[in-house]
Amino acid sequence: IAGITQAPTSQILAAGRRMTLRCTQDMRHNAMYWYRQDLGLGLRLIHYSNTAGTTGKGEVPDGYSVSRANTDDFPLTLASAVPSQTSVYFCASSDSSGTGGNEQFFGPGTRLTVL
Amino acid sequence: GQNIDQPTEMTATEGAIVQINCTYQTSGFNGLFWYQQHAGEAPTFLSYNVLDGLEEKGRFSSFLSRSKGYSYLLLKELQMKDSASYLCAVRDGDYKLSFGAGTTVTVRA
Repeated sequence: IAGITQAPTSQILAAGRRMTLRCTQDMRHNAMYWYRQDLGLGLRLIHYSNTAGTTGKGEVPDGYSVSRANTDDFPLTLASAVPSQTSVYFCASSDSSGTGGNEQFFGPGTRLTVL
Repeated sequence: GQNIDQPTEMTATEGAIVQINCTYQTSGFNGLFWYQQHAGEAPTFLSYNVLDGLEEKGRFSSFLSRSKGYSYLLLKELQMKDSASYLCAVRDGDYKLSFGAGTTVTVRA
């Protein structure tokens, strides 16, 4: 693989179910991020990780959890999905915690529908 | 918190120039980014400004005024493939990005 990948591409989920969105990067980037994108609201940060073993809360963390066991993987878990979590989810990564001109690279996204 | 404003939509003719403005109010500033996002795809990086002034990269240029909390993205010699959303994003003092809602640019023949 090259770059950053996400799985699944899309998912329809019943409310109350648990769901894990997967994200893997092979660029050896220190920092990784999860965003949700909703019409009219733009991208909003859910959780982030500046380096393996550490995570932090973004703007909209409620209902979501993350882990960062190694450099490459950064899964996002919805413990009990609700319809308001219907969105497109993007994973991103950047080098050196995004300092300097180091831009974030985005995965292709996961379209999640919670019914 | 962050407050980032950009127009919702803009329309321009192929071959023309379009300027997308972005104003921001942030707690801490560590750079401003512009991303392009085609419908159904991931955002891709266009430009980065951290000092005042103009950064030129081919047909695209980006300007920053930190004292005014203002940036613009200039797209020259518009092509049909430039039809996309353009996202303004500010990196705060904790090195996290906050995004504006995006500006959808439609290029007409």
